[in-house]
Amino acid sequence: GQQVMQIPQYQHVQEGEDFTTYCNSSTTLSNIQWYKQRPGGHPVFLIQLVKSGEVKKQKRLTFQFGEAKKNSSLHITATQTTDVGTYFCAGPDLLSNTGKLIFGQGTTLQVKP
Amino acid sequence: DTEVTQTPKHLVMGMTNKKSLKCEQHMGHRAMYWYKQKAKKPPELMFVYSYEKLSINESVPSRFSPECPNSSLLNLHLHALQPEDSALYLCASSQEAIGAWGGYTFGSGTRLTVV
Repeated sequence: GQQVMQIPQYQHVQEGEDFTTYCNSSTTLSNIQWYKQRPGGHPVFLIQLVKSGEVKKQKRLTFQFGEAKKNSSLHITATQTTDVGTYFCAGPDLLSNTGKLIFGQGTTLQVKP
Repeated sequence: DTEVTQTPKHLVMGMTNKKSLKCEQHMGHRAMYWYKQKAKKPPELMFVYSYEKLSINESVPSRFSPECPNSSLLNLHLHALQPEDSALYLCASSQEAIGAWGGYTFGSGTRLTVV
């Protein structure tokens, strides 16, 4: 079945260092979405990427969608303690096309002050 | 209003109890979802409602019973749960179901403990 894989599973960085998480889908996606979940919180939608090769920035966060629309990355420049949390990528389930999102396993980011 | 409101935030129930989780959104979203999330795992889909009709049941045991009374409300009725059902239950909505377009807005969840 359709799978979304995400690496790394955990990342510990010193405050001020950069961070990147990578997402790979087994199938071509119509769009890819990124969510952030703070410890003890709920997932919060960050962004949706739709076009092949698309790059979008939100302050220190840069999101990319691959040319083949099967992979994506999230890069954080100069991490801060407020960036702590788990970052999930997710793509729509193409078989059902019913709104179901298939989530990656998530990358948990720890930032040492 | 850009929120999904879930109640209660915490719930402890015995294995013979019946309880309900409630979810409400006033964003005009036409798709609503129930997800279950275990610690350190991604959310796992349980049910999808599109235009108030159940469109996906991910082979969820019948002790979980969803209900969509209208376009703004979603309930999850719980009965005879097992301790392994303890988890964070998340409600979410999106503008449309197809492609989960526009992304999900998640509620803050109900942290359920079955004793």
